[in-house]
Amino acid sequence: SAVISQKPSRDICQRGTSLTIQCQVDSQVTMMFWYRQQPGQSLTLIATANQGSEATYESGFVIDKFPISRPNLTFSTLTVSNMSPEDSSIYLCSVVGEGTGANVLTFGAGSRLTVL
Amino acid sequence: GNSVTQMEGPVTLSEEAFLTINCTYTATGYPSLFWYVQYPGEGLQLLLKATKADDKGSNKGFEATYRKETTSFHLEKGSVQVSDSAVYFCALSDGGGNNRLAFGKGNQVVVIP
Repeated sequence: SAVISQKPSRDICQRGTSLTIQCQVDSQVTMMFWYRQQPGQSLTLIATANQGSEATYESGFVIDKFPISRPNLTFSTLTVSNMSPEDSSIYLCSVVGEGTGANVLTFGAGSRLTVL
Repeated sequence: GNSVTQMEGPVTLSEEAFLTINCTYTATGYPSLFWYVQYPGEGLQLLLKATKADDKGSNKGFEATYRKETTSFHLEKGSVQVSDSAVYFCALSDGGGNNRLAFGKGNQVVVIP
């Protein structure tokens, strides 16, 4: 299955700043997904990133807060803008695992953000 | 909408004990069901899956049976090891081909030697 690298693995950020998380996949994939895992909560899908088109955001998430880029089939970025302590979470990139059947996702190790 | 409910709280047990983690779901149509595992410092990994009613998914000694009548997909292992210490997430997809998953909150499992 695909190998996903995320950077940074963790960071401590100041309120009001923005941080960009990078997701690199070792193979070409059509769909990439960004999830958020808040402390003690389940994973919540933020958006689906498709190459060559704008990301599709889930209810409660907007492009101004979480802009996403998808310049090619192996790379995507998620920016968390104007951060507040409520944005402290683990952010995970995922892709559909090739050859494993539909709906089987492979995840990166995540980026743990702490906002002070 | 689709949702997954996992039993509350962490699970602590001794090595070689029997593990059960409960998972129930609410969904329209015919979802596929999954268990993912997250070992310390690593990303989520698929542990097992079942795509239709009465299917049993199994891997690494873990099993879960897709029970449509009780809308459940409980995870079991007969004899846990310290290396099974991880967070376990139940998830479902709506089968609509969009590859979106709904996750439960996860259960921290700690196995004591």
